[in-house]
Amino acid sequence: DIQMTQSPSSLSASVGDRVTITCRASQSISDYLNWYQQKPGKAPKLLIYAASSLQSGVPSRFSGSGSGTDFTLTISSLQPEDFATYYCQQSYSTPFTFGPGTKVDIK
Amino acid sequence: QVQLVESGGGVVQPGRSLRLSCAASRFTFSSYAMHWVRQAPGKGLEWVAIISYDRSNEYYPDSVKGRFTISRDNSRNTLYLQMNSLRAEDTAVYYCARGGSRYSSRDAFDIWGQGTMVTVSS
Repeated sequence: DIQMTQSPSSLSASVGDRVTITCRASQSISDYLNWYQQKPGKAPKLLIYAASSLQSGVPSRFSGSGSGTDFTLTISSLQPEDFATYYCQQSYSTPFTFGPGTKVDIK
Repeated sequence: QVQLVESGGGVVQPGRSLRLSCAASRFTFSSYAMHWVRQAPGKGLEWVAIISYDRSNEYYPDSVKGRFTISRDNSRNTLYLQMNSLRAEDTAVYYCARGGSRYSSRDAFDIWGQGTMVTVSS
C-alpha cells in the first residue's frame, strides 16, 4: 500500500499569510495526487486534482505542484474561510490513501 | 444541483449488519465510478470502497475486505454499502463520493454526500 504523509500536522497563520503544506508518497505516484479541504462537521471539498489542476469554482489563491513523491499545496493569501483541515490523497493505485491531514488555524 | 444523499446509518451491535444507501441526482450516475469514504470521530479520512461505473470492478482496503460489499443500481441512481460483521472500529461517518467518469483515467472525489453516522456499540 502507498503511505501518504503530510507536514506540518498543524499550523497557525494570519489572514493574508502565504501557507504551504507538503505531502509525500511512499513511492512514486506520478501526478495522481488530489487535495481536499474539510471544515468541522462538513464533507470534504475537492480543491486540486492531478497535482496541479484547480477544481472548478475553487479560488485561484489555491495552487498545487509536484510529481513523483513530493507535492505541495499553497494558499497564496490566507482568507478567513480557509481555516480548515487539508488532506492529500493518492489515486494512483488501490487502496486509495489519504494523508493524515494538516489543520490550519488562526494565529 | 448535482447531489449525493446518504441514508441508513444508525446504532448497531458488534457482529451485526447494516446497509447504507446513497441517492444520486442531477448527473449521469451510470457514467461515474463511485466510492465510500469514512471518518472516525476526531480522525482523518479513510477510503472504504470503489465500484466502477458498470459494476465490473470493486476494490476494498484490507480493513473491510470480506466484510463490506459495495454495489450500485444504475437504474435507480443509487449506491449501496453492505456492512457485515461490524466492529467497534467501524464507527464513523460514512460518505459516498463521485469518482472519475468512464472517459477519464483520473479518480478524484469531486462530489460528496453529507455523510451518515454509523455507531457500532453494544
